[in-house]
Amino acid sequence: DAGVIQSPRHEVTEMGQEVTLRCKPISGHNSLFWYRQTMMRGLELLIYFNNNVPIDDSGMPEDRFSAKMPNASFSTLKIQPSEPRDSAVYFCASSSGGSGSYEQFFGPGTRLTVL
Amino acid sequence: AQKITQTQPGMFVQEKEAVTLDCTYDTSDPSYGLFWYKQPSSGEMIFLIYQGSYDQQNATEGRYSLNFQKARKSANLVISASQLGDSAMYFCAMREPNTGNQFYFGTGTSLTVIP
Repeated sequence: DAGVIQSPRHEVTEMGQEVTLRCKPISGHNSLFWYRQTMMRGLELLIYFNNNVPIDDSGMPEDRFSAKMPNASFSTLKIQPSEPRDSAVYFCASSSGGSGSYEQFFGPGTRLTVL
Repeated sequence: AQKITQTQPGMFVQEKEAVTLDCTYDTSDPSYGLFWYKQPSSGEMIFLIYQGSYDQQNATEGRYSLNFQKARKSANLVISASQLGDSAMYFCAMREPNTGNQFYFGTGTSLTVIP
């Protein structure tokens, strides 16, 4: 079991550039979550999907952010254009649906630095 | 209202002593799950323990136990026999399966174990 896979692990880019973060959830999980973590704001939920469908994107900061989940094994978070205030660690997490102890499994995160 | 409240931004504990990290939650859903995660300085999010709303007994996992007081809506994490490696951020979280399976995280408590 490879766990949640995120790429890249580190990204340094310049203001105005497009950034695409990638996530492969654990096979069989039907819920996928994107989080952003900063010292100032803590852990923020950006968007989550159930069965590839976006359920709640109210945490997406603005139109510069977009997320897609074209199939059960892949999701992207895109920032266009990027700004220095987008610098953060972005986590992807997945879990099974339904009731029970279906905890979220987190990926290692992508550390984004926008200069 | 905040779904998850962690009122202790930072805590200190002497090595080998027990420590309690507080967590209160807010939900009107009769079915929910409560989770604790650990985030060491290396950044990964590690699942520690789970408590279901219908569970009659407090959850335990090794040195971790969850003091679940349903009427008070609290789910405190107790770490017994603290070790230096327990120094980390600890996040309390709740899942509501009947509202789209969304997870809610608290702001975290930073625990420092003193030798």
